Amino acid sequence: GAGVSQSPSNKVTEKGKDVELRCDPISGHTALYWYRQSLGQGLEFLIYFQGNSAPDKSGLPSDRFSAERTGGSVSTLTIQRTQQEDSAVYLCASSSNWGETQYFGPGTRLLVL
Amino acid sequence: QKEVEQNSGPLSVPEGAIASLNCTYSDRGSQSFFWYRQYSGKSPELIMSIYSNGDKEDGRFTAQLNKASQYVSLLIRDSQPSDSATYLCAVNIEFNKFYFGSGTKLNVKP
Repeated sequence: GAGVSQSPSNKVTEKGKDVELRCDPISGHTALYWYRQSLGQGLEFLIYFQGNSAPDKSGLPSDRFSAERTGGSVSTLTIQRTQQEDSAVYLCASSSNWGETQYFGPGTRLLVL
Repeated sequence: QKEVEQNSGPLSVPEGAIASLNCTYSDRGSQSFFWYRQYSGKSPELIMSIYSNGDKEDGRFTAQLNKASQYVSLLIRDSQPSDSATYLCAVNIEFNKFYFGSGTKLNVKP
C-alpha cells in the first residue's frame, strides 16, 4: 500500500511569508507525528495527533507554528511569518496507534531566504 | 540533560566486525524503544523496536534493553558497508511526546 506522502517536497520562501506543509498518512493510521530536522541534527518532536486531536502542543517552537488534522487523515503544518531559523526538513510520520512503529514520509525541505 | 543521548560518532568498524551503538534515556517510565537508520538525505526507517528488558534479535541486528540502567543498545553483526548510516534511538518519554537522540554515525570500512 501507499506510504506516508508529504508535499511539497521542497519549498523556498522569503522571510516573513507563511507556508503550509501537508502530510498524508498511511490509510488507517490513527497517530500522526510532525518532526523538524535541521542540517546534521537529530529529530525535534513538534506535535502528535491521535485522530484529529493534538493532546499537547508544547513541542511547537513558537506561536508562529500551528498544525491541524482533519477527518483523521491529512494534516497541515503552518508556519506564519517564516524566519531563516525555520529552514529545515519537516518530517511527518504515522503509526497505527500511539507508541507503535512510526513510518516516515520523504519530508519537506524548507528554505527561508 | 537531554531526554535521549547518543554518542554522535563517527563510529568506524571494519567490514565483518560487530558494531555496537548505545543510547541512554532520562525517563524511567518510558515503555517503547526504537532504533531507526537514516541514510544521508533520506528519511528514517525502522530497524528494531523493543519493549521488554533483555535482547531481541532480528537477522544481523540485536537490540538490548536495560530499564534499570535506562540504557538501550543496538548490535550489528557482520557489518557491511551498506550499514554505513546514522542510527537514531527513539523513546516515548511521556504519553504525548516522542524523543529521538541526535544519532550516531556509523562508517563500515571495506
